[in-house]
Amino acid sequence: AQSVTQLDSHVSVSEGTPVLLRCNYSSSYSPSLFWYVQHPNKGLQLLLKYTSAATLVKGINGFEAEFKKSETSFHLTKPSAHMSDAAEYFCVVSFTSGTYKYIFGTGTRLKVLA
Amino acid sequence: DTGVSQDPRHKITKRGQNVTFRCDPISEHNRLYWYRQTLGQGPEFLTYFQNEAQLEKSRLLSDRFSAERPKGSFSTLEIQRTEQGDSAMYLCASSLPGAAGGYNEQFFGPGTRLTVL
Repeated sequence: AQSVTQLDSHVSVSEGTPVLLRCNYSSSYSPSLFWYVQHPNKGLQLLLKYTSAATLVKGINGFEAEFKKSETSFHLTKPSAHMSDAAEYFCVVSFTSGTYKYIFGTGTRLKVLA
Repeated sequence: DTGVSQDPRHKITKRGQNVTFRCDPISEHNRLYWYRQTLGQGPEFLTYFQNEAQLEKSRLLSDRFSAERPKGSFSTLEIQRTEQGDSAMYLCASSLPGAAGGYNEQFFGPGTRLTVL
């Protein structure tokens, strides 16, 4: 069975400080992992994806995530938060055959303080 | 714009009415997914089409729900005899064929927000 746990439902950071959004996964085989962002009244946008090519994955807008198999984690980081980063972030694990359907975490709402 | 589109964006209906939503995927994508997102939760898988064939349905999809993709292009999701618990955002996503052992990036539409009064 596959599942995703996002450890924080809300995270607040000051503008210009680092961002850390935590995600742990459970998968019976080597997973595909994604981070998506959802701004209010907008669709889900892919930030980055892990597909076993490299454990440190760089995405858009300065975000990156590191796949750690020993810790079953895929935490999302950014060195310096911008006001425009305020949104809901979802960690996703995907089946790697068959339907390739997504299993979403419950989301982390990021608030950026001026 | 060649992204995934959904119509309508918002739907308000009274309990017991039927509603139908439409999704137009990216044109060359043969895979189409429906998800449901309730307030404060992540999206949950409802159903999946490969071309016109509906290959998987979640247990969340009760008998009141039906989805079609008649020509392997656009898809519709119908909810009959709506209930207040059906209030949610309904998301559609599409993708190219996945490679075995590989990954499959899904592209999401903006969603249809359903409110059942």
